[in-house]
Amino acid sequence: GAVVSQHPSWVICKSGTSVKIECRSLDFQATTMFWYRQFPKQSLMLMATSNEGSKATYEQGVEKDKFLINHASLTLSTLTVTSAHPEDSSFYICSALDVTGGNQPQHFGDGTRLSIL
Amino acid sequence: GNSVTQMEGPVTLSEEAFLTINCTYTATGYPSLFWYVQYPGEGLQLLLKATKADDKGSNKGFEATYRKETTSFHLEKGSVQVSDSAVYFCALLRDDKIIFGKGTRLHILP
Repeated sequence: GAVVSQHPSWVICKSGTSVKIECRSLDFQATTMFWYRQFPKQSLMLMATSNEGSKATYEQGVEKDKFLINHASLTLSTLTVTSAHPEDSSFYICSALDVTGGNQPQHFGDGTRLSIL
Repeated sequence: GNSVTQMEGPVTLSEEAFLTINCTYTATGYPSLFWYVQYPGEGLQLLLKATKADDKGSNKGFEATYRKETTSFHLEKGSVQVSDSAVYFCALLRDDKIIFGKGTRLHILP
């Protein structure tokens, strides 16, 4: 079945650092990918919709200059947390829209746990 | 707007007990409905889904029926196992976007 790979799975870095997270669709082309954020013991909140070859669409309240999204190819979207601070620590999950008529609407990566010291 | 409400946890049960996790939704039209499961430290896995009224989704002993009249999609399992301990999310699909409930943490005691 369709697989989405997310990398890295865990990152720890100092405050002020920028961190890039990659989301790849391994066996299908994904013109649309989604980025979610999950705080401990809470639900997934959609941050933005990433569209190949165009600007991402951000949900209300999400700082687009803080969370840079690039979807330069049909199999790769990246989320860069710029000048990260401790409050950006969270679990970030990406997903890819399945347009092949498969069993599920989106295929999820395994998530990236980001810890900012 | 579109939203999903599910029972708050944590839910703690003994092994082989009957499980129900309630989920109701608010949406225009008839969205597809899903249950996802998240095991500790992992991403999301689709557990089951239903795409229209009266559909029953089932997988791994779990079931949920799309009830249009009560706008509900309750998750049930007749006999839970320790390995079912996880967080369960009810969700709906609208315009390619998935809207999640807050999740219900399930603990199964041996």
